[in-house]
Amino acid sequence: DGGITQSPKYLFRKEGQNVTLSCEQNLNHDAMYWYRQDPGQGLRLIYYSQIVNDFQKGDIAEGYSVSREKKESFPLTVTSAQKNPTAFYLCASRGQALEKLFFGSGTQLSVL
Amino acid sequence: DQQVKQNSPSLSVQEGRISILNCDYTNSMFDYFLWYKKYPAEGPTFLISISSIKDKNEDGRFTVFLNKSAKHLSLHIVPSQPGDSAVYFCAASTGNQFYFGTGTSLTVIP
Repeated sequence: DGGITQSPKYLFRKEGQNVTLSCEQNLNHDAMYWYRQDPGQGLRLIYYSQIVNDFQKGDIAEGYSVSREKKESFPLTVTSAQKNPTAFYLCASRGQALEKLFFGSGTQLSVL
Repeated sequence: DQQVKQNSPSLSVQEGRISILNCDYTNSMFDYFLWYKKYPAEGPTFLISISSIKDKNEDGRFTVFLNKSAKHLSLHIVPSQPGDSAVYFCAASTGNQFYFGTGTSLTVIP
């Protein structure tokens, strides 16, 4: 089955800790995205990548980092510099000729 | 600055009636508009889209209307079913970036 897999489903972060959210796709899509959703708010773009080894900051990149070493993988690290990390994180991908995003099932990050 | 706005946080409709969800945007460079449906703790799923060169697109019970002069689009669901109850996000894209509204929670009452 083709799709986007995010793991883990739930993640807890301790004070001062970096945590990494996984996103893997087998759709052979070039572009991948990370969004954050807070209650009552829309999806806000954190980072996106159009090709391997290249990525751009979105609207709320501070406190986050990404890498794109492989086409199918786009992990997101929430660093200790992100002071309000509790949110629902969504990974998405898009094929070259497609106008829409395909989303994973999300990761809920909470602070202990 | 929110480029895509959904001003109605919630909407309740009787089963079988029409649901109309609205969305406004500010950027005239947007060339593609989409609607996504989302359940709690799940990723959004694509519902329907429309290119900026069209003013209507229909797919079964779902129709999207685009009014470029007013920078407004709407999603019509006819007839509404209880399974349609979810949060609906409007999105707009230009190039590689997608911008989302804050969502409208639709409740279809049996």
